[in-house]
Amino acid sequence: EAGVTQFPSHSVIEKGQTVTLRCDPISGHDNLYWYRRVMGKEIKFLLHFVKESKQDESGMPNNRFLAERTGGTYSTLKVQPAELEDSGVYFCASSQGWGPSYNEQFFGPGTRLTVL
Amino acid sequence: LAKTTQPISMDSYEGQEVNITCSHNNIATNDYITWYQQFPSQGPRFIIQGYKTKVTNEVASLFIPADRKSSTLSLPRVSLSDTAVYYCLVGDPRGGGFKTIFGAGTRLFVKA
Repeated sequence: EAGVTQFPSHSVIEKGQTVTLRCDPISGHDNLYWYRRVMGKEIKFLLHFVKESKQDESGMPNNRFLAERTGGTYSTLKVQPAELEDSGVYFCASSQGWGPSYNEQFFGPGTRLTVL
Repeated sequence: LAKTTQPISMDSYEGQEVNITCSHNNIATNDYITWYQQFPSQGPRFIIQGYKTKVTNEVASLFIPADRKSSTLSLPRVSLSDTAVYYCLVGDPRGGGFKTIFGAGTRLFVKA
């Protein structure tokens, strides 16, 4: 079974440009999460989808970030316009939310975003 | 969510048992304790989760005392490939998911 995939693996853009990151969760996982790690910092939660609905978006840093999950399948995270401090690694994770291991989250490999 | 405290780093040798302790003094009644492992350039990977006493799987054991204010991840006979960062997280996973808060983690370095 395929794991969580993220695209692109790397993205280098200039300040002020727009970037869209994509996450494909494991098939059948209703829960989808976005996290990011900026240089030298801890992994921080951004938001949580349950199917297509935003369950918790308390970690979104500001309104330059927009996450969507149309149809409850893949999700996109758009940064517009990008700023230097947005550089970091963006992780996506998904979980079933039920079963023997409560909310075991499966993480993707991350997208490394560099804003110049 | 309960804050966790772990050692910043630990060193070990191949074949040894490694125990990483995490403090979570403010753990709530409904909180579970979960450990993740992360290798460089990869996303975190679930290792084990527990609520109380002891949990064991094919990878590790998790020991949780009665007061649940701490927990210990035990890795038996580590190998070089166990060199990674280990995160202890505490939260209520029921109801379809929960916000996962990662701390700084413990960087384990296994030497030959």
